[in-house]
Amino acid sequence: GAVVSQHPSRVICKSGTSVKIECRSLDFQATTMFWYRQFPKQSLMLMATSNEGSKATYEQGVEKDKFLINHASLTLSTLTVTSAHPEDSSFYICSARDRMGGAGYTFGSGTRLTVV
Amino acid sequence: AQRVTQPEKLLSVFKGAPVELKCNYSYSGSPELFWYVQYSRQRLQLLLRHISRESIKGFTADLNKGETSFHLKKPFAQEEDSAMYYCALSGPGANNLFFGTGTRLTVIP
Repeated sequence: GAVVSQHPSRVICKSGTSVKIECRSLDFQATTMFWYRQFPKQSLMLMATSNEGSKATYEQGVEKDKFLINHASLTLSTLTVTSAHPEDSSFYICSARDRMGGAGYTFGSGTRLTVV
Repeated sequence: AQRVTQPEKLLSVFKGAPVELKCNYSYSGSPELFWYVQYSRQRLQLLLRHISRESIKGFTADLNKGETSFHLKKPFAQEEDSAMYYCALSGPGANNLFFGTGTRLTVIP
């Protein structure tokens, strides 16, 4: 079945630094990938939709200059948290849908970001 | 605007008892509805989608357009069903998923 690889699974960084999270579709091509954020005991909130070869679409309230998304190929999207602050600490999850359609969306295993 | 409501954050049932996880939605159109499950320390995975009309791991879910509901049911709960369950919605032709707040199901042995 479709597999999405996300790494790192866990990262700790200092305030003011940037962190890059990668999301790869391993056995399928994904023209669109999605980035979610999940706070403790809360649901997944869509942050942005990453489109291969074009600009990402951000949800209302998400700072595009802070959360930089690059989708340079059909199998890779990256989320860079720039100038990280403690309030950016969260669980970030990516997902992808096979460009051929298919049953639902495949999720990565998530990245736990802690900003100290 | 779309909205997915899961009224129960926590649900506990005894092994062998029936279980129903509620999901109501709000959408101006014909959405596609999904149930996703997240077992402990595992990633989210698709459990059901309404257009498939399948039974997965004994779970079923029927889309009731009149009541705008997509409740997840299983007649006899098993311990391995303990997990976090998310109801999600996608608009036709849309790419993204909107999630409910999730229900943590605990099956008591």
